[in-house]
Amino acid sequence: IAGITQAPTSQILAAGRRMTLRCTQDMRHNAMYWYRQDLGLGLRLIHYSNTAGTTGKGEVPDGYSVSRANTDDFPLTLASAVPSQTSVYFCASSSGTSSYNEQFFGPGTRLTVL
Amino acid sequence: AQSVAQPEDQVNVAEGNPLTVKCTYSVSGNPYLFWYVQYPNRGLQFLLKYITGDNLVKGSYGFEAEFNKSQTSFHLKKPSALVSDSALYFCAVRFGGFKTIFGAGTRLFVKA
Repeated sequence: IAGITQAPTSQILAAGRRMTLRCTQDMRHNAMYWYRQDLGLGLRLIHYSNTAGTTGKGEVPDGYSVSRANTDDFPLTLASAVPSQTSVYFCASSSGTSSYNEQFFGPGTRLTVL
Repeated sequence: AQSVAQPEDQVNVAEGNPLTVKCTYSVSGNPYLFWYVQYPNRGLQFLLKYITGDNLVKGSYGFEAEFNKSQTSFHLKKPSALVSDSALYFCAVRFGGFKTIFGAGTRLFVKA
């Protein structure tokens, strides 16, 4: 069982380009999340999805969009990348959206926007 | 405002000694508290959580944490540190379903 996979592992992107970060889980978890990790700031929630077909905004959603066409996949799209979006991006999932459910994280995508 | 604080950027401890990584929180209502560990170039891994009941929670790899409601703290502890425990540790509080606030992280360095 792979858990959560993310692609690409890393990417260098020119400012203004469009980029989609891929995330797939095989645990049949209902809830999925995208976080960005920046030094000294911990993890901040970008977008989340409670179940297939629904999405919501997190703490830092501007410049990002997501879709949840099925249970397994939760891609994150940067429509027009900017240097401030340079970060490490983590996809996560949990079996439910109850506050007591722990989250499972993917290995991350390191994105550099120049 | 809801917040989680990890007051130490780094904790240094000798192998075999007890370790403590501190976490305090400010959340309205009853919090659900978590500790995660991150090894280099990896995603976060769940260690333990406090939901309700006994204030001392035991988790993976010999770690435990003590919930103290009056001090709004949830410190991570281990009786005897290992070099392999060296990693980045995150405290998190979850509330309102999907909402999770992470602390900034504390780097634990265990010296042989």
